[in-house]
Amino acid sequence: DAGITQSPRHKVTETGTPVTLRCHQTENHRYMYWYRQDPGHGLRLIHYSYGVKDTDKGEVSDGYSVSRSKTEDFLLTLESATSSQTSVYFCAISESGAGGPGEQYFGPGTRLTVT
Amino acid sequence: RKEVEQDPGPFNVPEGATVAFNCTYSNSASQSFFWYRQDCRKEPKLLMSVYSSGNEDGRFTAQLNRASQYISLLIRDSKLSDSATYLCVVNVKSNYQLIWGAGTKLIIKP
Repeated sequence: DAGITQSPRHKVTETGTPVTLRCHQTENHRYMYWYRQDPGHGLRLIHYSYGVKDTDKGEVSDGYSVSRSKTEDFLLTLESATSSQTSVYFCAISESGAGGPGEQYFGPGTRLTVT
Repeated sequence: RKEVEQDPGPFNVPEGATVAFNCTYSNSASQSFFWYRQDCRKEPKLLMSVYSSGNEDGRFTAQLNRASQYISLLIRDSKLSDSATYLCVVNVKSNYQLIWGAGTKLIIKP
């Protein structure tokens, strides 16, 4: 299995509080992604990174920000959590980029509940 | 219309049977296609890529039909361990993003 960890694995927080999720990889892959997964929806891309300090928005980026100061770490921040951000968050990594991503490897996910 | 559509199921299939499901995509410029498998409360994992000529990996066969814009997954001699949700994934642009279907749930019964 690819070396990807996410922390925390579970979190309950209150509306309006900031929350930061961490993704850490030991594979030295260039590309990293944050997705959310909700019932009835496919995985939806929040933000992605194609290198240190290089990030871009995905399909559902409103209310989220990211940072990547090191190859191995990709942080997702919910600036002011809302109940609509209750979800399962997955981090993924991949090697390819130009011409389209190939296989993506996923972390175990973070279950976030906003009350 | 969603960019990638799948029948959500569940497909309830007896052990040993053959099962097939399709996935349709809307963008004719789509370039790469994949099937991922996701077990309950786990992360998705790549099952197989889908090539233009079709490809097989053991009991699993994937097909691509560009004219009708769908991909299919066939599972032969199904096992209890095949029970999972199968996610169809398409790269519709030449960038770093994949578009995911919502998944088809498969339940193999003894």
